[in-house]
Amino acid sequence: SQTIHQWPATLVQPVGSPLSLECTVEGTSNPNLYWYRQAAGRGLQLLFYSVGIGQISSEVPQNLSASRPQDRQFILSSKKLLLSDSGFYLCAWSVGGGNTIYFGEGSWLTVV
Amino acid sequence: GNSVTQMEGPVTLSEEAFLTINCTYTATGYPSLFWYVQYPGEGLQLLLKATKADDKGSNKGFEATYRKETTSFHLEKGSVQVSDSAVYFCALANNAGNMLTFGGGTRLMVKP
Repeated sequence: SQTIHQWPATLVQPVGSPLSLECTVEGTSNPNLYWYRQAAGRGLQLLFYSVGIGQISSEVPQNLSASRPQDRQFILSSKKLLLSDSGFYLCAWSVGGGNTIYFGEGSWLTVV
Repeated sequence: GNSVTQMEGPVTLSEEAFLTINCTYTATGYPSLFWYVQYPGEGLQLLLKATKADDKGSNKGFEATYRKETTSFHLEKGSVQVSDSAVYFCALANNAGNMLTFGGGTRLMVKP
């Protein structure tokens, strides 16, 4: 069966520090991969979307970036965090046009 | 573009009460529709889905019917439990089936 893992689960980082959140999917090949953000008390915002290695679509302008160095690995990064980057980050995957998207456990980021 | 509107929360109910969370959508074509649930501190879990008009998705006592004539996908449960307390997200998939648009989420609180 397919599983998705993301880490770290919680992170407290100072303003201006770098960020790296990692996500891996097991049990499937060539998945579509996603990074979503959920700010406190708000809905979900799609940040990045990838259909394959090295292929990244950005949905909103920001100081975050994403990379997909391997088929089942998706990394969310920032060179310098802002206070407004605080939130709950969710990695997700889907396969082809199957149109069900499955989410990881989420990572809580607090920028102080 | 696609959009999803769901009723604002929080919705507070007593145990065994009837639940309705309204969801309406705007989309071209015939999107698939979803309800996701997010329990406190966790990621999103798929609750149910419907892929065509008049389909009824159901799971764990929750139901939602795809109503194309009213562009709605309201979530219902006949008798809620304290363990149903969570945030519920309505979503639709684009025609390619690889991108979700979410509503803002509705927090449900069930009191014993």
